[in-house]
Amino acid sequence: SQQGEEDPQALSIQEGENATMNCSYKTSINNLQWYRQNSGRGLVHLILIRSNEREKHSGRLRVTLDTSKKSSSLLITASRAADTASYFCATDEVVKTSGSRLTFGEGTQLTVNP
Amino acid sequence: AAGVIQSPRHLIKEKRETATLKCYPIPRHDTVYWYQQGPGQDPQFLISFYEKMQSDKGSIPDRFSAQQFSDYHSELNMSSLELGDSALYFCASSLFRVSYEQYFGPGTRLTVT
Repeated sequence: SQQGEEDPQALSIQEGENATMNCSYKTSINNLQWYRQNSGRGLVHLILIRSNEREKHSGRLRVTLDTSKKSSSLLITASRAADTASYFCATDEVVKTSGSRLTFGEGTQLTVNP
Repeated sequence: AAGVIQSPRHLIKEKRETATLKCYPIPRHDTVYWYQQGPGQDPQFLISFYEKMQSDKGSIPDRFSAQQFSDYHSELNMSSLELGDSALYFCASSLFRVSYEQYFGPGTRLTVT
């Protein structure tokens, strides 16, 4: 991906454990979003964090953003087998007046073993 | 709640043929985006429309064109198909005036043989 990298590229954990995925990006951003994709299927929006926010929670998800390091992390707590999917971060750049394209990271494949 | 609708879900074409993919955004959303995701890759932005006008253009080949119609649905037209065009094509929509969140459709899987 020309924008960012995610690490790890693959993560395998046991049900009930926490999963942490990291994302780095290169340009100044307006927002950073996390998406989930089940194999070969659509992208599901998980959470959006604005560039002036440092942390955000949604259910079992916790996202942090460090604009000085140009990085973000997604933490999934108490993972379930149904969380098995690819997770992508996506950034949009400076504010536009008519839509803002997303630039995706390379994704982390998370496998949660029952 | 209504979601983004894409049709067809699967499409098989031969090299040099043409394909038309359709997208119906969430009602009242003002912006439509098209993305291409190759096998094992992250989605890449192709083109977007805001209030039916092209608003941004990414790495879209000249062989591809897109438009948004008066009812806000959008079509991606692909001509002279190549093997490398085989991919998942996603449409997303947003209510850009209110939020930057983009909501994706299920995608159209295009296979070029």
